[in-house]
Amino acid sequence: GENVEQHPSTLSVQEGDSAVIKCTYSDSASNYFPWYKQELGKRPQLIIDIRSNVGEKKDQRIAVTLNKTAKHFSLHITETQPEDSAVYFCAARGSGSARQLTFGSGTQLTVLP
Amino acid sequence: DAMVIQNPRYQVTQFGKPVTLSCSQTLNHNVMYWYQQKSSQAPKLLFHYYDKDFNNEADTPDNFQSRRPNTSFCFLDIRSPGLGDAAMYLCATSGPLSQRLAGGDTQYFGPGTRLTVL
Repeated sequence: GENVEQHPSTLSVQEGDSAVIKCTYSDSASNYFPWYKQELGKRPQLIIDIRSNVGEKKDQRIAVTLNKTAKHFSLHITETQPEDSAVYFCAARGSGSARQLTFGSGTQLTVLP
Repeated sequence: DAMVIQNPRYQVTQFGKPVTLSCSQTLNHNVMYWYQQKSSQAPKLLFHYYDKDFNNEADTPDNFQSRRPNTSFCFLDIRSPGLGDAAMYLCATSGPLSQRLAGGDTQYFGPGTRLTVL
């Protein structure tokens, strides 16, 4: 089955700096890669996703890049703000018909004011 | 934002006392998932329904069962909760492949039910 590794597990940045979180996946058939943000005690919220036919996608301060050859995708947050502090999970969807997601282990991002 | 609803939000049960958690959705999605999430960990898929077809993950304990009486509702039954089953239980839904280009395969999570086992 799919295996997703996520790094780093914790990340602290100064407000205004950029943050980068990286994930690798094992199943070359995986074709959908969402990123979720989860604040303490709340549900995971989709913040951005990318499909395997696209190399990069951007939404305001958030961008995701995908390298299919290397089976690697990354989340980039620019001009970080304290409200960006949360746990971020990457995920990969395998080729199964029900579109199961395999999650990375999460990154605790802390933006220091 | 109330597209995937979970009840109750907080559930306290006693060791060994059966408990049922509820999930409903207004998205008419054909796939529903149940995840278990423990503190500081990623959500762990327990099982999912693709329409009426039930799919159990290989490592989901027999103690966990699920029912989906119709498209909108799905239940998680924990037959004999143990202390190790205390966690946040998340329900999620996603749409059919035909909606993929419109983002229909995105998983939408409910707010979760936090289960405490005494």
